[in-house]
Amino acid sequence: SAVISQKPSRDICQRGTSLTIQCQVDSQVTMMFWYRQQPGQSLTLIATANQGSEATYESGFVIDKFPISRPNLTFSTLTVSNMSPEDSSIYLCSVQGTGEQFFGPGTRLTVL
Amino acid sequence: GESVGLHLPTLSVQEGDNSIINCAYSNSASDYFIWYKQESGKGPQFIIDIRSNMDKRQGQRVTVLLNKTVKHLSLQIAATQPGDSAVYFCAEKDPGTYKYIFGTGTRLKVLA
Repeated sequence: SAVISQKPSRDICQRGTSLTIQCQVDSQVTMMFWYRQQPGQSLTLIATANQGSEATYESGFVIDKFPISRPNLTFSTLTVSNMSPEDSSIYLCSVQGTGEQFFGPGTRLTVL
Repeated sequence: GESVGLHLPTLSVQEGDNSIINCAYSNSASDYFIWYKQESGKGPQFIIDIRSNMDKRQGQRVTVLLNKTVKHLSLQIAATQPGDSAVYFCAEKDPGTYKYIFGTGTRLKVLA
């Protein structure tokens, strides 16, 4: 299994600002994913981030709002841009194992 | 702090009893399924998986049952303990991709 860390673990931000979330994995992985978990809800995939190519976004998510970087096989960032209170969620990164996906601890974002 | 699953369906069981958590999945072509456990303030943790060529798989105190006819998945936890209190999600793998579709989740409360 992979050990995944995320920074920050939580943050409170003002609307209109942007926050960059970091995801670090303890081993090289090809596929990394970013999910959003809104309060009281399940996980929704934002995008797939593969090293060396642009991220692939799911329906309802766009690069201008959620730019993603994947500079190497152990690291990725997700930026939540021009935030509004509706962006208040837990943001999770995950990596693909041999079968299952492993998740980081999440970043709890509150937008005022 | 903020909790995951505030509005999720809740299953309350007495400590020591068996728990059964159910999940309906959407795609009859899905061939791989996972159960995750998410404790408050943490990311989802892999519990057990099952492939579509199986009806049942057992782990330590947990059993997953798959009924492909009605597209139903269940997680059975034997001798439920206080540490089992969490939100449980089923996830189905989108065939031909590495994407997972997560169910709505069930909060398990273990009563002492």
